[in-house]
Amino acid sequence: GDQVEQSPSALSLHEGTGSALRCNFTTTMRAVQWFRKNSRGSLINLFYLASGTKENGRLKSAFDSKERYSTLHIRDAQLEDSGTYFCAAENTGYQNFYFGKGTSLTVIP
Amino acid sequence: NAGVIQTPRHKVTGKGQEATLWCEPISGHSAVFWYRQTIVQGLEFLTYFRNQAPIDDSGMPKERFSAQMPNQSHSTLKIQSTQPQDSAVYLCASSYDRYEQYFGPGTRLTVL
Repeated sequence: GDQVEQSPSALSLHEGTGSALRCNFTTTMRAVQWFRKNSRGSLINLFYLASGTKENGRLKSAFDSKERYSTLHIRDAQLEDSGTYFCAAENTGYQNFYFGKGTSLTVIP
Repeated sequence: NAGVIQTPRHKVTGKGQEATLWCEPISGHSAVFWYRQTIVQGLEFLTYFRNQAPIDDSGMPKERFSAQMPNQSHSTLKIQSTQPQDSAVYLCASSYDRYEQYFGPGTRLTVL
């Protein structure tokens, strides 16, 4: 079964508002990485965390290995934030990633 | 730094033909990963190399798929006797030791 459950699958936000994306893991993961797919389909790195939280501009991510989840918070959403966001979790044994199904974010004027 | 380079960006093959996909990792990165993205399965892990040695190929289909890393500057994913269900975007990523992975733009394979 899926080792990473990402929610919501789709999200609409009005400009200036915020929300959170979440990934739950069925097992203990070593690290998590968040990506955004750009207009060309490329995966752009947002965050890589082995623990704790990281913040970059209007984005903030947290990872709790023990509680088996990670979150990506978006505040003051802008139109250019629209896109698909993925989380990927690195298991403790190997370095390969397990990806969530993605969240399609639409920012509405 | 050009990032991870994947070629070709698009490949169309006929059923039963062979397809070879190329990946050039970021210089200095010790690990190379291959993933596949389909609408049905999403992103799924295929295989990876560390210091050119195969480490985990648990995601590779047992038949027709193979991956090589003959030197530190490139890796190939070969699909023999391609089938329509092999159509997908194949992504390569590289990383330095056990740190974040950087993805290439992908190769879109279409099997007619």
